[in-house]
Amino acid sequence: KQEVTQIPAALSVPEGENLVLNCSFTDSAIYNLQWFRQDPGKGLTSLLLIQSSQREQTSGRLNASLDKSSGRSTLYIAASQPGDSATYLCAVRPGGSTLGRLYFGRGTQLTVWP
Amino acid sequence: KAGVTQTPRYLIKTRGQQVTLSCSPISGHRSVSWYQQTPGQGLQFLFEYFSETQRNKGNFPGRFSGRQFSNSRSEMNVSTLELGDSALYLCASSLGLPGWNTEAFFGQGTRLTVV
Repeated sequence: KQEVTQIPAALSVPEGENLVLNCSFTDSAIYNLQWFRQDPGKGLTSLLLIQSSQREQTSGRLNASLDKSSGRSTLYIAASQPGDSATYLCAVRPGGSTLGRLYFGRGTQLTVWP
Repeated sequence: KAGVTQTPRYLIKTRGQQVTLSCSPISGHRSVSWYQQTPGQGLQFLFEYFSETQRNKGNFPGRFSGRQFSNSRSEMNVSTLELGDSALYLCASSLGLPGWNTEAFFGQGTRLTVV
């Protein structure tokens, strides 16, 4: 059974810092990995999708890397801003099919203070 | 392009009642999945539908059921509500087709409170 772990559970930093959020998964047979952002009481917003054959993806100040063999992904946030405050979740889709559930970590709650 | 739409946004129900939640996926998406989110358990998978067929099911009691219509819209039903069913219910849609981008997009959720 796939298990996804995110470290740290919470992070509080001053504005302007570069951040690294970590995600690890136990079964390397994944189809893809997706990073999401969730604001309190809201739905999930997709940030980045990395296919199993890819090593990284970038969108603006966000960069996500994937090391499938070691079961790890990192989300790098450059020059953090107060508006980045949210919970960040990573999810993996098991390999073999484009269908099937996503396995989620418990998230990293990020607070960026001015 | 419209996103995933979930209705209603908020619901308050009494124990023992039943409730139906609705999800309209992104146009062209054929896979719809449902998740329950609580502070204690995080995101838990309920079920997935593709082309009107349930393809996967999570570990929830039979009180939780769902269906998908020919236009890919999906509904989930919870009967005999319990206090522990209070949660944010999230719907996700994706293309679901082999070889295509399987990025999942989520709706804003339905906040269900059982009193």
